[in-house]
Amino acid sequence: DGGITQSPKYLFRKEGQNVTLSCEQNLNHDAMYWYRQDPGQGLRLIYYSQIVNDFQKGDIAEGYSVSREKKESFPLTVTSAQKNPTAFYLCASSPRSVNEQFFGPGTRLTVL
Amino acid sequence: QKEVEQDPGPLSVPEGAIVSLNCTYSNSAFQYFMWYRQYSRKGPELLMYTYSSGNKEDGRFTAQVDKSSKYISLFIRDSQPSDSATYLCAMYSGGGADGLTFGKGTHLIIQP
Repeated sequence: DGGITQSPKYLFRKEGQNVTLSCEQNLNHDAMYWYRQDPGQGLRLIYYSQIVNDFQKGDIAEGYSVSREKKESFPLTVTSAQKNPTAFYLCASSPRSVNEQFFGPGTRLTVL
Repeated sequence: QKEVEQDPGPLSVPEGAIVSLNCTYSNSAFQYFMWYRQYSRKGPELLMYTYSSGNKEDGRFTAQVDKSSKYISLFIRDSQPSDSATYLCAMYSGGGADGLTFGKGTHLIIQP
């Protein structure tokens, strides 16, 4: 089955810890994205990558980091510098030429 | 003024009714428009993608775009309880793989 997988589904972090969220796709899409969703809010763009080994900051990149070493994978690290990390994190991918973005099931991060 | 405005609802209608969901936007550079459906605690699912003014139909769903008024709509005919979800509009300006700008979403409830 083609699709986007995110793991873990739920993640708990202590204050001051870095955590990494996984995103994998087997759709052969060039572009991948990370969004954050807070209750009652739309999705806000954190980072995106149009090709391997290249990525750009979105609207709320502070406190986050990414890598894109493989076409299929785009992990997101939530660092201790992110002051309010509790949120629902969504990964998406799209063909590079047509920006139809398809989303994974999400990871819910909670800071304890 | 926010770039994309969307009434959060909730919007409650009886089963079988025609539903109208709307978004307005301020950035005239937006050229491509999407509607996503999101069930609680799930990733958004792409319903409709359009890039021209006018109507686009897919089954019970019709997307309407009026670029002169900066106004987009999604109509759902013969609404079903399974249509109960949050509907997000999204849009972008470029032709390549950029991040999307989302509305906050409208929570729709279809009463059996």
